[in-house]
Amino acid sequence: GQQLNQSPQSMFIQEGEDVSMNCTSSSIFNTWLWYKQEPGEGPVLLIALYKAGELTSNGRLTAQFGITRKDSFLNISASIPSDVGIYFCAGPGAGSYQLTFGKGTKLSVIP
Amino acid sequence: DAGVTQSPTHLIKTRGQQVTLRCSPKSGHDTVSWYQQALGQGPQFIFQYYEEEERQRGNFPDRFSGHQFPNYSSELNVNALLLGDSALYLCASSFGTQNGEQFFGPGTRLTVL
Repeated sequence: GQQLNQSPQSMFIQEGEDVSMNCTSSSIFNTWLWYKQEPGEGPVLLIALYKAGELTSNGRLTAQFGITRKDSFLNISASIPSDVGIYFCAGPGAGSYQLTFGKGTKLSVIP
Repeated sequence: DAGVTQSPTHLIKTRGQQVTLRCSPKSGHDTVSWYQQALGQGPQFIFQYYEEEERQRGNFPDRFSGHQFPNYSSELNVNALLLGDSALYLCASSFGTQNGEQFFGPGTRLTVL
């Protein structure tokens, strides 16, 4: 089946630093979604990408849909303590309604 | 505008029992998907319901079944519970013709003893 590989698995950063994480797939995706999950909560949709090469921002978050359609990147600028959580990339495979998720990147912000 | 709601929030069962979890989709959405999330993992797709029918199913045994009601709400049933069924069960809603964005509820934490 389809797999999404996220890296890094975890990161510890100082408050105010920028963060970058990425997601790669062995097959083409037509949609890339980025979610954030906090303890005891469901994933919250941050950004949705629909076109190869697309760059989309949501506040301090910026995500890009890779040109090959097999990768995506999420950047967080000027991190703050409330950015702590697990960030997941996800997408539906071609002709599929199910979302395939990566294993997540756990972000810790040191005040 | 109410988001996705799930009940109960927590549940404890013993092996062999049966459980029913419930979900109400976000206002305006007609499609419900169910996911299982084990500790430290990403959500795994169980199945999706649209127009009261199971539209797509993931790699889960027949012990997992579901239903969608005319008001678009949904139930997930799990029979003959195993210890390995302990997980966070997430419901996600979307609009039927879209192939992409799904909005998640807070989940039901199921513990099987």
